[in-house]
Amino acid sequence: EVQLVESGGGLVKPGGSLRLSCAASGFTFSSYSMNWVRQAPGKGLEWVSSISSSSSYIYYADSVKGRFTISRDNAKNSLYLQMNSLRAEDTAVYYCARGGRGNSVHDAFDIWGQGTMVTVSS
Amino acid sequence: QSVLTQPPSASGTPGQRVTISCSGSSSNIGSNYVYWYQQLPGTAPKLLIYSNNQRPSGVPDRFSGSKSGTSASLAISGLRSEDEADYYCAAWDDSLSGWVFGGGTKLTVL
Repeated sequence: EVQLVESGGGLVKPGGSLRLSCAASGFTFSSYSMNWVRQAPGKGLEWVSSISSSSSYIYYADSVKGRFTISRDNAKNSLYLQMNSLRAEDTAVYYCARGGRGNSVHDAFDIWGQGTMVTVSS
Repeated sequence: QSVLTQPPSASGTPGQRVTISCSGSSSNIGSNYVYWYQQLPGTAPKLLIYSNNQRPSGVPDRFSGSKSGTSASLAISGLRSEDEADYYCAAWDDSLSGWVFGGGTKLTVL
């Protein structure tokens, strides 16, 4: 079964850091681009970051650029999001989602994880 | 304020046909594919339409997508109670070098 499972969410103080993980199974992880999308409580979807299959291409939303770092370990079938200098407005459910094959990050997000909640509060 | 503009709500009765619009610009919808996602209450989003008008395996043909210029729309025919959900459009934006989503449309089946 194709599956994505996020972990690492929790409560963190403003200015703090958190590292999210996304474990992939049921497909050849190294062949696909991957993405992070977040959803603040009661709000809509917001794209956060994308990474191509070989990590050659990486993109960030302006709202997180310079604070968040996306990475992947194809040997471990895992996607990561290192979040630094966290702010209250980063509070959201963070989803990882599978993208297209290879270096294209322009394809549909066809598989989504269940999400992990990040709360930034003092 | 989302880059792609959707109506915040839509509604219909069982069996009806409803459409949800998504308006963008030349840098996103005008030059790239449009995707639609369905988010049922309390669940993760699910891909509903890809490449403007293609349905993934398992998505009923009651759902259809179209695009014209810098706008797109999602049509749902034969409305069913289980279609009650939030619907989001999305596209790659060449100017922003990133994905943009619509604000979402909450569909109510009366």
